[in-house]
Amino acid sequence: EIVLTQSPATLSLSPGERATLSCRASQSVSSYLAWYQQKPGQAPRLLIYDASNRATGIPARFSGSGSGTDFTLTISSLEPEDFAVYYCQQRSNWRGTFGGGTKVEIK
Amino acid sequence: EVQLVETGGGLIQPGGSLRLSCAASGFTVSSNYMSWVRQAPGKGLEWVSVIYSGGSTYYADSVKGRFTISRDNSKNTLYLQMNSLRAEDTAVYYCARDSGSFDDYWGQGTLVTVSS
Repeated sequence: EIVLTQSPATLSLSPGERATLSCRASQSVSSYLAWYQQKPGQAPRLLIYDASNRATGIPARFSGSGSGTDFTLTISSLEPEDFAVYYCQQRSNWRGTFGGGTKVEIK
Repeated sequence: EVQLVETGGGLIQPGGSLRLSCAASGFTVSSNYMSWVRQAPGKGLEWVSVIYSGGSTYYADSVKGRFTISRDNSKNTLYLQMNSLRAEDTAVYYCARDSGSFDDYWGQGTLVTVSS
């Protein structure tokens, strides 16, 4: 089973700052990596798919990069609505796995 | 507009069974991969199961042999039959449309609580 490790667990930042979230896979997942945002009481929302493609309606301040085992989600300038939990997910085979999540909180 | 609506959650005793439903609109379930993902209270997301458009099904080790994913093409609905439920199955269960490498649409979730 492919294990995804997200870091840091919590990121304390102020609005307007840049957020950099990491996701590391235990073995290569090629570019089959997605990022989701989840707010309390809500379902996850797809942000990035195939490592670097923004989903429909996602603002340009969100970007993804990486391939193989190391991936990054960058939020260029945090808006108040961006404070949430972010998960990465791999689907390089039929067994999908999620990372443990990174909480982006207001400093 | 794509919409997914889960129903069927509730309080169930350990060892019991429950069937979750996910009614889809705006697309055809049988033409897509469909997944179930769960989230225990205060925890992260856990992939549970997927059914491919061709009918192949796959499960997480934690539910294999106890849960069954299926669909009713005439009702455009996805199901998750859950048997031999355990306390650790307590979670919000989400259905999602699965592109093969990501889940692009999610339902609002239904809470399953396994407790005596």
